[in-house]
Amino acid sequence: EDQVTQSPEALRLQEGESSSLNCSYTVSGLRGLFWYRQDPGKGPEFLFTLYSAGEEKEKERLKATLTKKESFLHITAPKPEDSATYLCAARDAGGTSYGKLTFGQGTILTVHP
Amino acid sequence: SAVISQKPSRDICQRGTSLTIQCQVDSQVTMMFWYRQQPGQSLTLIATANQGSEATYESGFVIDKFPISRPNLTFSTLTVSNMSPEDSSIYLCSVENGELFFGEGSRLTVL
Repeated sequence: EDQVTQSPEALRLQEGESSSLNCSYTVSGLRGLFWYRQDPGKGPEFLFTLYSAGEEKEKERLKATLTKKESFLHITAPKPEDSATYLCAARDAGGTSYGKLTFGQGTILTVHP
Repeated sequence: SAVISQKPSRDICQRGTSLTIQCQVDSQVTMMFWYRQQPGQSLTLIATANQGSEATYESGFVIDKFPISRPNLTFSTLTVSNMSPEDSSIYLCSVENGELFFGEGSRLTVL
């Protein structure tokens, strides 16, 4: 069974204090590792998809990386508006529905001014 | 990307009643899905909404409880039937349009 585990559950940072969020996955044939941002009362907002180990993608202060067992979301010099829950999800190649992503529990990020 | 609109955004329902959630997309998409996010938990796929045929349900979800319609390539509905407090969740419509995008969600509270 596919598993996605995110750590830490919650992270508090000072504005400008860089850090990383971790996503460990156990998936039979990874067919995409996804990162989403979710604000309270909102649906998940798509950030990145990574497909192969060694791949990196960047967007503003965020950079996502992928290895064979985990993905990291690096946040450089965060601002208070980066506060949100960050969700990691994986899609396997096992013939399941294309839309079936296995989600982690999320990391709640709070950035203090 | 895709603009996905869901109605209602939130509702409070009585036990034993049913509620239908609508999902409208601003462009034609082949694949639409319904997810559930229970309080304090992560997202779980309920079913794939197939245009012109019956929805494909994931393990643990059945058509009698969550009937789905998909009359065309831009619209789908999810009904939560005979609701109980355990059905209190956020229900999310999602579409595949290059990537997998989500609507804002419909927050249901069942009393």
